[in-house]
Amino acid sequence: QVQLVQSGAEVKKPGASVKVSCRGSGYTFRTYGISWVRQAPGQGLEFMGWISAYNGNTTYTQKFQDRLTMTTDTSTNTAYMELRRLRSDDTAMYYCARGGALRVAIIDYWGQGSLVTVSS
Amino acid sequence: DIVMTQSPDSLAVSLGERATINCKSSQSVLSSSNNKNSLAWFQQRPGQPPKLLLYSASTRDAGVPDRFSGSGSGTDFTLTISNLQAEDVAIYFCQQYYSSQCSFGQGTRLEIK
Repeated sequence: QVQLVQSGAEVKKPGASVKVSCRGSGYTFRTYGISWVRQAPGQGLEFMGWISAYNGNTTYTQKFQDRLTMTTDTSTNTAYMELRRLRSDDTAMYYCARGGALRVAIIDYWGQGSLVTVSS
Repeated sequence: DIVMTQSPDSLAVSLGERATINCKSSQSVLSSSNNKNSLAWFQQRPGQPPKLLLYSASTRDAGVPDRFSGSGSGTDFTLTISNLQAEDVAIYFCQQYYSSQCSFGQGTRLEIK
């Protein structure tokens, strides 16, 4: 069965960076893409960006353009999301989700989420 | 950017009754290449990640009960949950994937009356 397993919770200070991992299994990783979506406490879903595990192409939401990097390692079927210069309003649950190989497309499977808390 | 607006923000429906949630996009999400709407619906139960219910506006994902149905095209869409069950208590989100900058509605909280 398709599974996306994310890394554990993180506590970071303002100005630091966080890197969240997402390991896919149960499907051919390189034939899909990975989207990253975050959800602040009690809030809605916010699309951050997408990366193709097929060719490495990325799309970042303008809001995160200058401090977000998404990568994949097809040898370990793992996607990574690094967010830099963290602020308190970056406190959220961060989800990876499986999407299209060539564009965002349908998001069908989600990871369990990684809670990132930014606090001094 | 395409803005997705859901209504209502919350609703309470009796068990066995029907719930209707609306979603409006700021521009059409109908793809001319395949004549399909790039519109999905998700269910998020408390403490859980979202779960895909419907895509292409009206196609149920595998294993989704037929009590869940979707309709609409272009900019206006509806999620209908018939014969409401207790396990349907959740927040429901619509999402457009027409644009590479995909976006979600703000969510509709469904409760039991």
